[in-house]
Amino acid sequence: DSGVTQTPKHLITATGQRVTLRCSPRSGDLSVYWYQQSLDQGLQFLIQYYNGEERAKGNILERFSAQQFPDLHSELNLSSLELGDSALYFCASSVDAGGGTEAFFGQGTRLTVV
Amino acid sequence: GNSVTQMEGPVTLSEEAFLTINCTYTATGYPSLFWYVQYPGEGLQLLLKATKADDKGSNKGFEATYRKETTSFHLEKGSVQVSDSAVYFCALPMNQAGTALIFGKGTTLSVSS
Repeated sequence: DSGVTQTPKHLITATGQRVTLRCSPRSGDLSVYWYQQSLDQGLQFLIQYYNGEERAKGNILERFSAQQFPDLHSELNLSSLELGDSALYFCASSVDAGGGTEAFFGQGTRLTVV
Repeated sequence: GNSVTQMEGPVTLSEEAFLTINCTYTATGYPSLFWYVQYPGEGLQLLLKATKADDKGSNKGFEATYRKETTSFHLEKGSVQVSDSAVYFCALPMNQAGTALIFGKGTTLSVSS
């Protein structure tokens, strides 16, 4: 158990809909990262928050947004969903802003868009 | 920004065979380098890391040496087991500012008895 909790584990929704994925980082970790894993693209970095502020941005679509709350949990919002958004979404956390420190991953949320 | 390239699998081996998974990178400076492993149905977990040139990271019989001359961080294990079957990812920070990790495409290893 990594200590990172993601909910829900599975999500099935229709095209055009909006969903929210939730992540609770390990106790004491200030950074939260979101990744998308798909068969064709591999593991893609989406966005990082550090202590409530956006820290780094990767290949995140404009239809996607995230935030980190004062209690350090984070939510990833995906809107106007398309079939191609079907993927495994991982949240990870680390104690500091990243770079040389280990990131701990949750078990992921599997999103299926039908 | 930085980038990472790793050999794509799948790699299929018999138990007790020698394993090498190649990883090369391009980076500004000398960032920390990582290998993560993903077992079926689970999230990624850190396998080993190296923080400076010539460092050797090791864990569970796996080893990788940080080679700045060849910008490589190849993963090796002398004798694989069925339980090593998983997907292996090479990773490094996305830039010199030391932020999120970026990952290679992953190498699937299947070990048969």
